[in-house]
Amino acid sequence: GQNIDQPTEMTATEGAIVQINCTYQTSGFNGLFWYQQHAGEAPTFLSYNVLDGLEEKGRFSSFLSRSKGYSYLLLKELQMKDSASYLCAVSTSGGSYIPTFGRGTSLIVHP
Amino acid sequence: EAQVTQNPRYLITVTGKKLTVTCSQNMNHEYMSWYRQDPGLGLRQIYYSMNVEVTDKGDVPEGYKVSRKEKRNFPLILESPSPNQTSLYFCASRGQATYEQYFGPGTRLTVT
Repeated sequence: GQNIDQPTEMTATEGAIVQINCTYQTSGFNGLFWYQQHAGEAPTFLSYNVLDGLEEKGRFSSFLSRSKGYSYLLLKELQMKDSASYLCAVSTSGGSYIPTFGRGTSLIVHP
Repeated sequence: EAQVTQNPRYLITVTGKKLTVTCSQNMNHEYMSWYRQDPGLGLRQIYYSMNVEVTDKGDVPEGYKVSRKEKRNFPLILESPSPNQTSLYFCASRGQATYEQYFGPGTRLTVT
């Protein structure tokens, strides 16, 4: 089985930086996804990390440490529209790369 | 426009009345999957398919059936719905050459 753990809720201030952590325990690990989901909407893809290290994509960056079973999503220059749930998900061996999701972190950005 | 469509978007039904939620994608994707999303439990995979006529169970398959007779369609069938299947359902697809999953808009199902 798989165990994916992330905080339930976080709050931050507009313009600030926030880091959302995700830890996982799984066999046959392939890679780790981050998705964003606004209330009542479908999840949208943010990133996929296969190798250790930091990948930057605009205001969002994602980090992976395979040996520690740890990832984080870093959001810079927070905007009100960043208020959403952030879903950590892992894919495992088998070739399908269809992710298994954690319970998500609800991020609230306030002025 | 590349998209995943689901129908219906909203459905209220009664216990035991068979229903089908359709899912269709226009991106020629090989992989398709169904998830349900419940408060506090996150997205849980019901079934997935790696290609036509190839399907497999996810984490919570009980009470659901799927079929993949055509590449573009992946319907979710509830033969005898029960109230514990009240949930928000998402269909998703992915191409063989990419990691990104594209999600449909969701179907909110209520079983009374």
